[in-house]
Amino acid sequence: DSGVTQTPKHLITATGQRVTLRCSPRSGDLSVYWYQQSLDQGLQFLIQYYNGEERAKGNILERFSAQQFPDLHSELNLSSLELGDSALYFCASSDSGLANGELFFGEGSRLTVL
Amino acid sequence: GQQVMQIPQYQHVQEGEDFTTYCNSSTTLSNIQWYKQRPGGHPVFLIQLVKSGEVKKQKRLTFQFGEAKKNSSLHITATQTTDVGTYFCAGSNSNYQLIWGAGTKLIIKP
Repeated sequence: DSGVTQTPKHLITATGQRVTLRCSPRSGDLSVYWYQQSLDQGLQFLIQYYNGEERAKGNILERFSAQQFPDLHSELNLSSLELGDSALYFCASSDSGLANGELFFGEGSRLTVL
Repeated sequence: GQQVMQIPQYQHVQEGEDFTTYCNSSTTLSNIQWYKQRPGGHPVFLIQLVKSGEVKKQKRLTFQFGEAKKNSSLHITATQTTDVGTYFCAGSNSNYQLIWGAGTKLIIKP
């Protein structure tokens, strides 16, 4: 158990819809990262937050947005969903904002868009 | 943009054979991390290398960081079925952002 909690574990929705994925980081970790992993593909970095502020942005679509709340949990919002958005979305946390420490990954949220 | 190239994409081995995956960066890295993702699982941290020329061992796994801090390798001796999964490297660039390799999938031939 990494200590990172992601909900929901599975989500099935239709094209054009909007979903919210939630992540609770490990206790004490200030950084939250979001990654997208399509079937049998690598990890695509979406965005990083550190202590409530956006720290780094990767290949995140404009239809996607995220935020980190004062209690440090984070949400990833995906809107106007397309078939190609079907993927496993991972959240990871670390105690550092500088990519020089271990990332602890949650078990992921599997999104299926029909 | 900055990339970390990881090869091979797949490696099929007989149980007991060795396995190696390589990562190469276009620029100097501050550090490099290695993760393992079992089938159906999430990435799990294996190790971080920081120093030029560093070599670290974990049982049958040997990790190396190149002298120029632009390349790294993971070598597994005498693979076992428990080694199956995808191995990712992730390098930290000068902006302290992690750049991920595409992963190498280790497949044990039946």
